[in-house]
Order: sequence, then C-alpha cells, then structure tokens
Amino acid sequence: QKEVEQNSGPLSVPEGAIASLNCTYSDRGSQSFFWYRQYSGKSPELIMFIYSNGDKEDGRFTAQLNKASQYVSLLIRDSQPSDSATYLCAVRGDQFYFGTGTSLTVIP
Amino acid sequence: EAQVTQNPRYLITVTGKKLTVTCSQNMNHEYMSWYRQDPGLGLRQIYYSMNVEVTDKGDVPEGYKVSRKEKRNFPLILESPSPNQTSLYFCASSSAGTANSPLHFGNGTRLTVT
Repeated sequence: QKEVEQNSGPLSVPEGAIASLNCTYSDRGSQSFFWYRQYSGKSPELIMFIYSNGDKEDGRFTAQLNKASQYVSLLIRDSQPSDSATYLCAVRGDQFYFGTGTSLTVIP
Repeated sequence: EAQVTQNPRYLITVTGKKLTVTCSQNMNHEYMSWYRQDPGLGLRQIYYSMNVEVTDKGDVPEGYKVSRKEKRNFPLILESPSPNQTSLYFCASSSAGTANSPLHFGNGTRLTVT
C-alpha cells in the first residue's frame, strides 16, 4: 500500500504568520508532488507542484521537497483568513495518491 | 475553457434505483479517475482509467462500475445504490504522458441515497 501521510490538524495560525504544512510518502518511485487547497464542499484546486529536490516559490507559497527523506512541505507566508481551508498533499507515481488533508485556520 | 464537467451536481435517490454520474473532459487527457470524499476519510479512489478501454479498481470499488469507451467520458454507475454510498464524488483527469501533470477536478456531485 503506497501511503501519503499528513497531520490532520487542525492547524491554527494568526493572520500574517507563516503556516507550515507537512507531508511524507512511502513510495520512493514517486515522481511529482502536488499541493491542493480545498474549501468545504468544493473541489480541490491546485496550488503548486514540485518534482525536483529543493524549494519552489510562487507568490506567498513555497513548496519544499526532500526525496531522500521522502518529505514534502508547503509554507504559506503572510497567512490570510481566506487561506483557511483543507490542504491536500498528492503524490504521483503510477497513479495519484492523496493524504487525508490538513485543516488550516487563519485567525484574524 | 479547459475543464472537467460532472453531472448532476446534486442527486437524491432511493436505495436500489440505478443511477449514472457523468464525467467529461475536454483536455484530451488519457488518465481519468473517480473519488469519493467522506468527513475524516479524505479522498478515496473508486476506479481509474489509464486510457480508452482500460480501467482499474481503486481503494473502494465495491458497488460501483465504470466504463471508458471514449477518451473524453468516464461515467460512474451505481447499479443498486445503498445509503452507505451517500457521499461527495469527484471526477478528475490528467495527462498520462507528463509526470508533472496535475489532476484536474470536476465540481463534484453530492449524492444522497435514502
């Protein structure tokens, strides 16, 4: 069974702070890694993807990948109340595997 | 506009009455899949398809059927729905030829079986 693990949370941060979301995966053959944001009752929307070791930045979001440790993370800088959602980590190997998501609440 | 279209958005039915949820994508994607999402359980894959006429079971296939006769369509069929299939369902697609191609999701179908 190929597994993707995330802390379910809830994670609460004050507005303007950095939110750090973490994900580990079991399949060393995994090729690419995705972060999705999902609001309650809505479909997941892609925030970022990463496939090389290191950091990838896009606006307030930074994805970090460490294949040796089988670890991928998402940092959200200057967190806003609108960032309050569930964040899903997805790993692509032969197919897609999802973690159960981390619930983030940004407190105004 | 590139999109995955699911219909219907909401469906209320009774136990045992066959139903089909349609899914169509206009991005010429080879890979398509169905998920159900229940509180606390995350996204669980029901079936997936790597290409036309190729389908495989996911983690929770019992009680569901799929077909992939055309590249753009991937309907989900519940032959005899039961209350434990009440859930939020998502269809998704992706390009199979590019490793970093993400999954694109439809807007979801909220199914209630009474």
